[in-house]
Amino acid sequence: GDSVTQMEGPVTLSEEAFLTINCTYTATGYPSLFWYVQYPGEGLQLLLKATKADDKGSNKGFEATYRKETTSFHLEKGSVQVSDSAVYFCALSISGTYKYIFGTGTRLKVLA
Amino acid sequence: ETGVTQTPRHLVMGMTNKKSLKCEQHLGHNAMYWYKQSAKKPLELMFVYNFKEQTENNSVPSRFSPECPNSSHLFLHLHTLQPEDSALYLCASSQDLTSEIWVLHTDTQYFGPGTRLTVL
Repeated sequence: GDSVTQMEGPVTLSEEAFLTINCTYTATGYPSLFWYVQYPGEGLQLLLKATKADDKGSNKGFEATYRKETTSFHLEKGSVQVSDSAVYFCALSISGTYKYIFGTGTRLKVLA
Repeated sequence: ETGVTQTPRHLVMGMTNKKSLKCEQHLGHNAMYWYKQSAKKPLELMFVYNFKEQTENNSVPSRFSPECPNSSHLFLHLHTLQPEDSALYLCASSQDLTSEIWVLHTDTQYFGPGTRLTVL
């Protein structure tokens, strides 16, 4: 069935380090792919998205490229900040359905 | 500001109590969702409403009862819950592209801050 797999955390980095959070998916149909972020005490909010193969989503220095050949949507940032500490969720939606599937989330902790 | 509000933010209830969670969206969206977020588990989609009609019910126990009186408000009525129902309950809304027969595309979801529920 449709699913999203993302790397388990927590991920602990020093400020200005390079970040990669891996996400792979399995899906029937034509999924759109998303990264959401959840800060402490808040709901999820969209970070970036890509709706078709080879699209690159970007926002606030974060990037992810929709790779159909490897069924991946890895999240990257060149230089993380303490304020990036949060839980990051990879997700997909399937066109023609209300199916919206989230990964388990990866907690990122950035140390000053 | 997300445009989706939830009340209460925290709720403690006994297994014999009846309570309700409320969600309101100010974004003019046509679809609203209830999710359950438990530690170390993926978000679980519970219910979907589109244009006030329930379109999805992912095998949720009957002790959870949703209500959507209009496209801006969504309730989750709770009764005789179990301790394992303790979790963060998230409401979300989206503007879904639909035809008369089926949904064509489900886009970005806008989440409220959640209600932290503890069942004793």
